[in-house]
Amino acid sequence: DTGVSQDPRHKITKRGQNVTFRCDPISEHNRLYWYRQTLGQGPEFLTYFQNEAQLEKSRLLSDRFSAERPKGSFSTLEIQRTEQGDSAMYLCASSLEWREIGELFFGEGSRLTVL
Amino acid sequence: AQKITQTQPGMFVQEKEAVTLDCTYDTSDPSYGLFWYKQPSSGEMIFLIYQGSYDQQNATEGRYSLNFQKARKSANLVISASQLGDSAMYFCAMREDTFLSGYSTLTFGKGTMLLVSP
Repeated sequence: DTGVSQDPRHKITKRGQNVTFRCDPISEHNRLYWYRQTLGQGPEFLTYFQNEAQLEKSRLLSDRFSAERPKGSFSTLEIQRTEQGDSAMYLCASSLEWREIGELFFGEGSRLTVL
Repeated sequence: AQKITQTQPGMFVQEKEAVTLDCTYDTSDPSYGLFWYKQPSSGEMIFLIYQGSYDQQNATEGRYSLNFQKARKSANLVISASQLGDSAMYFCAMREDTFLSGYSTLTFGKGTMLLVSP
């Protein structure tokens, strides 16, 4: 399977704990995106990487959110001191070249529940 | 301001019938792209169809077609001959080509839940 994979698929944590999600994009894709999707809403853009460079992070929801893509391959999204409002699906997507149609290939998401 | 509007929270259709899912958008950029994605209960967003702002013809992909009315800023998805497996959330999204920022991403609407009955 050469699609986008995310891990873990489900995470239940207590308020105040830190959580980390991992995304492995399609291998030849140099662009990687994180989105958040809350119940009844469409995905909301969080951050974007081109190779290892994080070119857009102003849309991260707070300074508790951070993302890395150290070698331009997999990426991690960390949420520190989780709050109940962080409960959502976190989607990762990758793409090869935005000058073409720009379709994003999504993973199945990591669902976070904060108790 | 909402850039993508999907006014139908839910739609019901019988198997083998056609259904139209509405989408309107708002942008001042001359260059943009419109997408439809399907999200089944598994959570994965599946790309269905794309329409570029300069495309002269409406896009078609198998049973999916996009009714693009540029002057009205609408990009409705038409699914012909609905199947039970079409039951899912459907999202309209727009890519804006922001050359100055050097990247583009997609802005999504709130989605429409489609239920196909036997």
